[in-house]
Amino acid sequence: SQQGEEDPQALSIQEGENATMNCSYKTSINNLQWYRQNSGRGLVHLILIRSNEREKHSGRLRVTLDTSKKSSSLLITASRAADTASYFCATDARAAGNKLTFGGGTRVLVKP
Amino acid sequence: GAGVSQSPRYKVAKRGQDVALRCDPISGHVSLFWYQQALGQGPEFLTYFQNEAQLDKSGLPSDRFFAERPEGSVSTLKIQRTQQEDSAVYLCASSRGPISNQPQHFGDGTRLSIL
Repeated sequence: SQQGEEDPQALSIQEGENATMNCSYKTSINNLQWYRQNSGRGLVHLILIRSNEREKHSGRLRVTLDTSKKSSSLLITASRAADTASYFCATDARAAGNKLTFGGGTRVLVKP
Repeated sequence: GAGVSQSPRYKVAKRGQDVALRCDPISGHVSLFWYQQALGQGPEFLTYFQNEAQLDKSGLPSDRFFAERPEGSVSTLKIQRTQQEDSAVYLCASSRGPISNQPQHFGDGTRLSIL
């Protein structure tokens, strides 16, 4: 079973626009991570946000975490065609034995 | 290379055959994870090693699945008497430290097709 659920499942935007995707989870977490996966490739780590943090930035990426709502969002600003990929959130929860549990992903298409 | 390496990249086997999938983690990484990823889904945890010790194998679907990391570096995932539902991408990941509050570095996976 997957703890996290991403929303939307798919997103299509024009180059230069912002892309926002959300992740909801069920149990208390130690941290939440976002990963990107290009077609046919492995996952690439983007950002890790700890349960006591509310917002984190990395380049064009902004992640927020609301532990009261058990949700996180990933914002990609000024998107590029190269941002086309699937994006996954992964939670590290004590109830899950401190291993990562991935959501189903958001498929993002950035059209040039 | 400096990344996680998996081989083979593609494997086709007939139902009932045994397969072995290899993972070379990043040198010096303590933790090694195996995941199964079905088409269009997120990775599902299979098993976790800290050095040579298999600390968690709760995600292995059945006793047909077996993983080892005898010297604390290279790992092999073996599937015996394969079935069609075993068809998936098998991903290996490694991380520097012993617990999951660190980024994981993934290989490109082995795509397994069972005919």
